[in-house]
Amino acid sequence: GQQLNQSPQSMFIQEGEDVSMNCTSSSIFNTWLWYKQDPGEGPVLLIALYKAGELTSNGRLTAQFGITRKDSFLNISASIPSDVGIYFCAGQTRNAGNNRKLIWGLGTSLAVNP
Amino acid sequence: EAQVTQNPRYLITVTGKKLTVTCSQNMNHEYMSWYRQDPGLGLRQIYYSMNVEVTDKGDVPEGYKVSRKEKRNFPLILESPSPNQTSLYFCASGFEGNSNQPQHFGDGTRLSIL
Repeated sequence: GQQLNQSPQSMFIQEGEDVSMNCTSSSIFNTWLWYKQDPGEGPVLLIALYKAGELTSNGRLTAQFGITRKDSFLNISASIPSDVGIYFCAGQTRNAGNNRKLIWGLGTSLAVNP
Repeated sequence: EAQVTQNPRYLITVTGKKLTVTCSQNMNHEYMSWYRQDPGLGLRQIYYSMNVEVTDKGDVPEGYKVSRKEKRNFPLILESPSPNQTSLYFCASGFEGNSNQPQHFGDGTRLSIL
């Protein structure tokens, strides 16, 4: 079945550093979504990407829809302690029944040292 | 405040005792969905609903039932819970009925089936 490889699995960085994470797949997607999950809470949608090559920002976060449609990247600039959490990517495609299916990565756990 | 509300937040119960987890959203969203989150397996979709009276199976629907009699509510029913349904469950909603893209998640329900 379709799979997403999200990397790195975890990161431990110093406050102020930039962060980069990505999701790759052998399948083509027509939408990429990035979420953040804080401990004890549900995921929060950060950025949605709908076109190959699209680059979208949300504050210090920037995400890109890969030109091959098989990957996406999320960058966080000048990290702060509240960036701590688990970041998930999700790619959407249509299955054989023309239903939209969302495939999830396993997450990148980010720890920030103040 | 826009929110997805799940109840209960925590439940410990025994095998075979029917239970219902309620989910309600106040954003007039067409789309609602249930996920379970397990270590190493990420988020997996159980069922989703594109609109009232329309429900579809996700990736792991076995052992679960749902109903969508009104737009705001999407309860998850475990008719005969088993220990392998011990998990963290999330309800989600989105404004676009046919997108299958969760935009708002509840804070989760942690179920333990003994």
